[in-house]
Amino acid sequence: DQQVKQNSPSLSVQEGRISILNCDYTNSMFDYFLWYKKYPAEGPTFLISISSIKDKNEDGRFTVFLNKSAKHLSLHIVPSQPGDSAVYFCAASSYGQNFVFGPGTRLSVLP
Amino acid sequence: KAGVTQTPRYLIKTRGQQVTLSCSPISGHRSVSWYQQTPGQGLQFLFEYFSETQRNKGNFPGRFSGRQFSNSRSEMNVSTLELGDSALYLCASKPTAGGANYGYTFGSGTRLTVV
Repeated sequence: DQQVKQNSPSLSVQEGRISILNCDYTNSMFDYFLWYKKYPAEGPTFLISISSIKDKNEDGRFTVFLNKSAKHLSLHIVPSQPGDSAVYFCAASSYGQNFVFGPGTRLSVLP
Repeated sequence: KAGVTQTPRYLIKTRGQQVTLSCSPISGHRSVSWYQQTPGQGLQFLFEYFSETQRNKGNFPGRFSGRQFSNSRSEMNVSTLELGDSALYLCASKPTAGGANYGYTFGSGTRLTVV
């Protein structure tokens, strides 16, 4: 039973357009969420986080939106660049412990 | 500062053998967590150590074990290897256990292949 779901295994976007990656969770106790990016043969790198007291957090080209009632969060990348091509993992935790990761979405940004 | 270091990077073992993986966290980080990554399953949480004590454990069989030393370095051991244990094993560190203010810093992982 996956507590964190990323229902799109892959996504292709044209360079310069917006990339939207989605994540759904089932555990209402989750109160802190992270997004990680992973290139092949490297460990995941932290991108951006959001706590449940907010509904939006922005960092440069990356914005994460949280809809607590829908148990849904999304990562927006604007504008998308070829270097953004990677696997993106959504992670959720309760009180910062035992982060549960989703299966990942492979983003391909086409030049 | 140096990142999270995992050794070895690649490993091939035979079914039934045991294996030990090593992780050196970022200097000053006392919390070390281990994850298993397999295609389609994302990152599955194995366990977290803080100050040489296992704080949390995921849903893995007892063949998977770990420990943490006084210098915060951690090892993970898998006994009686099975083909399904083939995966990328990732170690992550952060300054404290719990504490939502810090994301993990991951190492590059150890790619284990069981034949």
